[in-house]
Amino acid sequence: EVELVESGGGLVQPGGSLRLSCAASGFTFDTYAMSWVRQTPGKGLEWVSAISASGRSTYYAGAVKGRFTSSRDNSKNTLYLVMHGLRVEDTATYYCARVLGEHCTGGSCYVPAYWGQGTLVTVSS
Amino acid sequence: QSALTQPPSASGSPGQSVIISCTGTSSDVGGYDYVSWYQQHPGKAPKLIIYEVFQRPSGVPDRFSGSKSGNTASLTVSGLQAEDEATYYCGSFGGSANLVFGGGTKLTV
Repeated sequence: EVELVESGGGLVQPGGSLRLSCAASGFTFDTYAMSWVRQTPGKGLEWVSAISASGRSTYYAGAVKGRFTSSRDNSKNTLYLVMHGLRVEDTATYYCARVLGEHCTGGSCYVPAYWGQGTLVTVSS
Repeated sequence: QSALTQPPSASGSPGQSVIISCTGTSSDVGGYDYVSWYQQHPGKAPKLIIYEVFQRPSGVPDRFSGSKSGNTASLTVSGLQAEDEATYYCGSFGGSANLVFGGGTKLTV
């Protein structure tokens, strides 16, 4: 059974940094692309980042580009999101998600299929 | 404001059918067959129920179906059941390494 468990969320001041982790189990981690998606009560779901199965390719939404970095350690079955220069508008529940199929190509790499339970990030002074 | 436009609410009685629309542009919904739909119950993570416009993941009832015409995708829920009451989000590949979502539709049964 696919399981994704996020951790690392919390309260941080504007301008601060945070590292989120997502521990994966129940599937062959290094054959699936992964994504981070965040959710705020007012704005619904917002895609944040995607990373290829190997970790060599990463993609970011415009709102976080240059501030957030997605990476993965396939030996530890873990996905990471390092967030710098946090802003109040980054406050959200952050979900990690696995795509549906192995070795995805093109648009199929942008279909989050299995989601973790989420970790809350609050940016406030 | 979300990239894709969904009605904020929809409703139907048990046994009835309801259709939820999702309108984008030729750069996302109209340009690619990578439209997906998610069901989210309060306090839970989203669950994928439709991908690639009309495909259903294993375990999703065939009461859920998807379609697309031009820049608008639709989710049809037939034979409404009480457990279908949830918020539904559409998502679409938007090219240029981008995924966009709708603002969500709260379905009341």
